[in-house]
Amino acid sequence: LAKTTQPISMDSYEGQEVNITCSHNNIATNDYITWYQQFPSQGPRFIIQGYKTKVTNEVASLFIPADRKSSTLSLPRVSLSDTAVYYCLVGVGYKLSFGAGTTVTVRA
Amino acid sequence: EAQVTQNPRYLITVTGKKLTVTCSQNMNHEYMSWYRQDPGLGLRQIYYSMNVEVTDKGDVPEGYKVSRKEKRNFPLILESPSPNQTSLYFCASSLSGDPSSYEQYFGPGTRLTVT
Repeated sequence: LAKTTQPISMDSYEGQEVNITCSHNNIATNDYITWYQQFPSQGPRFIIQGYKTKVTNEVASLFIPADRKSSTLSLPRVSLSDTAVYYCLVGVGYKLSFGAGTTVTVRA
Repeated sequence: EAQVTQNPRYLITVTGKKLTVTCSQNMNHEYMSWYRQDPGLGLRQIYYSMNVEVTDKGDVPEGYKVSRKEKRNFPLILESPSPNQTSLYFCASSLSGDPSSYEQYFGPGTRLTVT
């Protein structure tokens, strides 16, 4: 499983765009990049997954440069309800673990 | 409704008293997994199962047992709980045997306290 590095915390304000970058220098050819969101006392929830270039869904966008050594999760126009921990996962296979994630705090 | 259920949601027990936390999914998923979450450590995988009767250790398997006799159920067993197993536990499942390329669905969590 590729090691990932994310910022520990980020602060933002309502209506702003939040970008969280995850570094994964030793990503393997077959690895996918997946992001999860977790609210306090709840299980993580899948946000988005990608392999290369850009992926967009109704919640977020995921930008992956050509070398795939990093990825950026973009949350457009955040609201107070987007305050959560965001995890970046990179890997292939059955063994998965989530790092400490990035705590995003959205203020009014 | 597609979901992963866990029981109990909250449990306080004493050291050495065997306990089982149940996990069930209704999505016919092949893959199931148990995680524990501790402050500052994120979620760490305890055990996982690729399919019925196929299980393997995650990163922190010591002190835990699992079984997968049916596709929908994946119970977590603590034969002799100790205080260092006090944690928040999550069960998850995904469609494929390769959870890295498929979305994992998580249960609501079980908060276990061992005194």
